[in-house]
Amino acid sequence: DGGITQSPKYLFRKEGQNVTLSCEQNLNHDAMYWYRQDPGQGLRLIYYSQIVNDFQKGDIAEGYSVSREKKESFPLTVTSAQKNPTAFYLCASSIEADYNEQFFGPGTRLTVL
Amino acid sequence: GQNIDQPTEMTATEGAIVQINCTYQTSGFNGLFWYQQHAGEAPTFLSYNVLDGLEEKGRFSSFLSRSKGYSYLLLKELQMKDSASYLCAVMDSNYQLIWGAGTKLIIKP
Repeated sequence: DGGITQSPKYLFRKEGQNVTLSCEQNLNHDAMYWYRQDPGQGLRLIYYSQIVNDFQKGDIAEGYSVSREKKESFPLTVTSAQKNPTAFYLCASSIEADYNEQFFGPGTRLTVL
Repeated sequence: GQNIDQPTEMTATEGAIVQINCTYQTSGFNGLFWYQQHAGEAPTFLSYNVLDGLEEKGRFSSFLSRSKGYSYLLLKELQMKDSASYLCAVMDSNYQLIWGAGTKLIIKP
């Protein structure tokens, strides 16, 4: 079955630690995205990648970093510089950057203790 | 700035019809999307409108008026499983999705 996987589902970290969230897709999509979802707010774009070895900052990139070394994988690192990292993180992909449908992974809920 | 507005919460009765409105102000327009999201899960695609008018897909329909910056999602024959949040999103001139905060729909028996 084709789809997007994110791991882990729940993640806890201590304040001051970096943590990496995994996102893998086997849909052969060129474009991938990371969003953050907070209660009462719309999804906010953190980073996106239109093609392998290329990525751009979204609206709230500060305190986050990404890599796109393989088409299938787009991991997100939440660094200690991110002041309020507790949130639900969603990874998505689309056939190409301006394609009209994004497919979402199941999400990772990160809690900073 | 860019803005998407939709009601925070709505309540409806099983078997009834409900209309969820969305108004938008964005830099350019390359289509409007509706997604459904159950609590703690990923959003799933419901509809895409880029031209004015009504798109019907089973129990769900979506309407767009570009001149008014307005869309609605119409859900018919409501079922308990329709209890979810409904997200409105607009693709702007840079092909970035701008998301509303979502409308939580509560279905009562």
